[in-house]
Amino acid sequence: SAVISQKPSRDICQRGTSLTIQCQVDSQVTMMFWYRQQPGQSLTLIATANQGSEATYESGFVIDKFPISRPNLTFSTLTVSNMSPEDSSIYLCSVSSSSFNEQYFGPGTRLTVT
Amino acid sequence: QKEVEQDPGPLSVPEGAIVSLNCTYSNSAFQYFMWYRQYSRKGPELLMYTYSSGNKEDGRFTAQVDKSSKYISLFIRDSQPSDSATYLCAMSQGGKLIFGQGTELSVKP
Repeated sequence: SAVISQKPSRDICQRGTSLTIQCQVDSQVTMMFWYRQQPGQSLTLIATANQGSEATYESGFVIDKFPISRPNLTFSTLTVSNMSPEDSSIYLCSVSSSSFNEQYFGPGTRLTVT
Repeated sequence: QKEVEQDPGPLSVPEGAIVSLNCTYSNSAFQYFMWYRQYSRKGPELLMYTYSSGNKEDGRFTAQVDKSSKYISLFIRDSQPSDSATYLCAMSQGGKLIFGQGTELSVKP
């Protein structure tokens, strides 16, 4: 499986600021996804990052709040904009080459908003 | 009602025990079923991946799917302290994965 890295691994941010999270894969992949994992909750899909086109967002998530870039087949970014304490969570990227059913996850970014 | 229900535990067992982890689901359209293992402060790791009903075995791990009952299970034989983690079930529909809440497992030496 692919080796996936995320930066930063953790951050503490102030309310009202924005944070950009990077996801880097060591091989080209077809699909990249961004998830949120809130304390005690299951993973929730934020959006699918499509190379060369706009991301596809799930219900409850909007581009203005979570803009996503996917400039090539090995890299994607997720920005959490105008943060509030409710955005405190773990943000994970995942990748899939053969089928969206087989997804492999990065180590996650632990975000705390004060 | 959540689409995927999973008992969050925590579940504590002695080393060597057989562990049974379970999920129920409500959407009969699910066709693919996955189990992920997540160690503390790490990303989820894909353990098992099955399609439709039946069993799949990989070493000490066995995944079962019963579509008629909308019920999936993961069995761990000869459990080890290194198996201590949170186990998440996931199912796919329409191009996305739906996850259970995760069951926290602790295997005591």
